[in-house]
Amino acid sequence: EAQVTQNPRYLITVTGKKLTVTCSQNMNHEYMSWYRQDPGLGLRQIYYSMNVEVTDKGDVPEGYKVSRKEKRNFPLILESPSPNQTSLYFCASSYRVNQPQHFGDGTRLSIL
Amino acid sequence: AQSVSQHNHHVILSEAASLELGCNYSYGGTVNLFWYVQYPGQHLQLLLKYFSGDPLVKGIKGFEAEFIKSKFSFNLRKPSVQWSDTAEYFCAVYFGSSYKLIFGSGTRLLVRP
Repeated sequence: EAQVTQNPRYLITVTGKKLTVTCSQNMNHEYMSWYRQDPGLGLRQIYYSMNVEVTDKGDVPEGYKVSRKEKRNFPLILESPSPNQTSLYFCASSYRVNQPQHFGDGTRLSIL
Repeated sequence: AQSVSQHNHHVILSEAASLELGCNYSYGGTVNLFWYVQYPGQHLQLLLKYFSGDPLVKGIKGFEAEFIKSKFSFNLRKPSVQWSDTAEYFCAVYFGSSYKLIFGSGTRLLVRP
C-alpha cells in the first residue's frame, strides 16, 4: 500500500531534549517536505527536499534540521526543542514538487 | 513574494446548501492548482487538481473548482453539502517560476444537519 509513515504519532517531551521525527515513503517519490500546522495559521513549510542530498529551507526553518540520505526517508530533527515548537507536524511526498502531495498521518508534539 | 489567500476562515452551512470557497494567488505565471481536504483528526487528502486544459475541474465527492486566470483564482464549489463535508479545506498553488508549493491558511467548514 502506498503510504507516508511518520513516527511517533504523539510525543510529549521537555525543553532542550533532542528529538527526531521520522518520515518514510514507499512510492519512490523525489520530493518530500515537512509542514507544521497551527490553529489559524494553516500549513507552514519547514523544510523540503527535491531529491537525495538536496534540501532547502521553507518558511519556518528556525530550530529544525533535516537530512535526506536516502530517497525514502526524510527525518525532522529538533536539536533543542522549545515550547513554541509545540504543534502538529505533517510529512508529505510527491513524484515532483508540482504533483499532488501524499501526506502522513501527522505527529503531535508537545514541548513542555 | 508569492502567496495564496483563502479569505473565508470559517464557514457554517446547513445541509443541502451550496458551497463556494475562495482561493486567490499572487502571481500570474505558470501555476498548478490543488484543493485538499482534512477531515477531523486526519491527514490532508487531495480533492482535485488543475494543471491545464478545461478550467472547470471535477474532483471527488461532488466537488469542483474553476480556474479563472484573469482573476488569479481557483474557487472550490459544491452544489449541495452534506454533514460529512465538515472539514478544513486547503488551497495550494505550485508556482512554476520559483518551483515553490504554497498552501493557503485553510477554511474550516461546519455543516449543520
